[in-house]
Amino acid sequence: GAGVSQSPSNKVTEKGKDVELRCDPISGHTALYWYRQSLGQGLEFLIYFQGNSAPDKSGLPSDRFSAERTGGSVSTLTIQRTQQEDSAVYLCASSLVTRGNTEAFFGQGTRLTVV
Amino acid sequence: AQTVTQSQPEMSVQEAETVTLSCTYDTSESDYYLFWYKQPPSRQMILVIRQEAYKQQNATENRFSVNFQKAAKSFSLKISDSQLGDAAMYFCAYRSAPGNQFYFGTGTSLTVIP
Repeated sequence: GAGVSQSPSNKVTEKGKDVELRCDPISGHTALYWYRQSLGQGLEFLIYFQGNSAPDKSGLPSDRFSAERTGGSVSTLTIQRTQQEDSAVYLCASSLVTRGNTEAFFGQGTRLTVV
Repeated sequence: AQTVTQSQPEMSVQEAETVTLSCTYDTSESDYYLFWYKQPPSRQMILVIRQEAYKQQNATENRFSVNFQKAAKSFSLKISDSQLGDAAMYFCAYRSAPGNQFYFGTGTSLTVIP
């Protein structure tokens, strides 16, 4: 695709429910990143994929959070038993890894609201 | 993990004036890349400018330029002739050369006053 695509754009869920957030990176980008941005805050790193493997998942805040990537392309971030503190914008980015000066390209994010 | 610090949570500038946003980072690596991103209210992160650490010359993109001080581990962004459309959150980011991880600062919210 032309850019990084995330769905849904907005998600309202009840506390305790599970949610899945999807990221479709730019074709050919082998690196994929998930970040969380709380209201007015910076970007909190969650997980990084290189191909289908995740060499760095150190940012996942708890075992309720998991992510996978299949076919070296689409990634899904799953949050189980959502809590109100999970409310935030979840940003996905992708990048080439052949050149270090290549920037990360971001999607428009999914705004998650837990009520 | 590398640390990126933006010490100015908020800044303001008069339209047509110049403003400088600060960024410092902590690393033991010699080869890395630095970026400034802009995030308007639409949430879309947009690359503003990039700098390779091995280049001594400061990067420039139209009204945007950087002051890269490698020894001081400082990477500030200067916006000249500020425009209303420059109002946004600005993030400084670090990417190591051998690794692929991006580390972001906490952001600076820029207001442009008409």
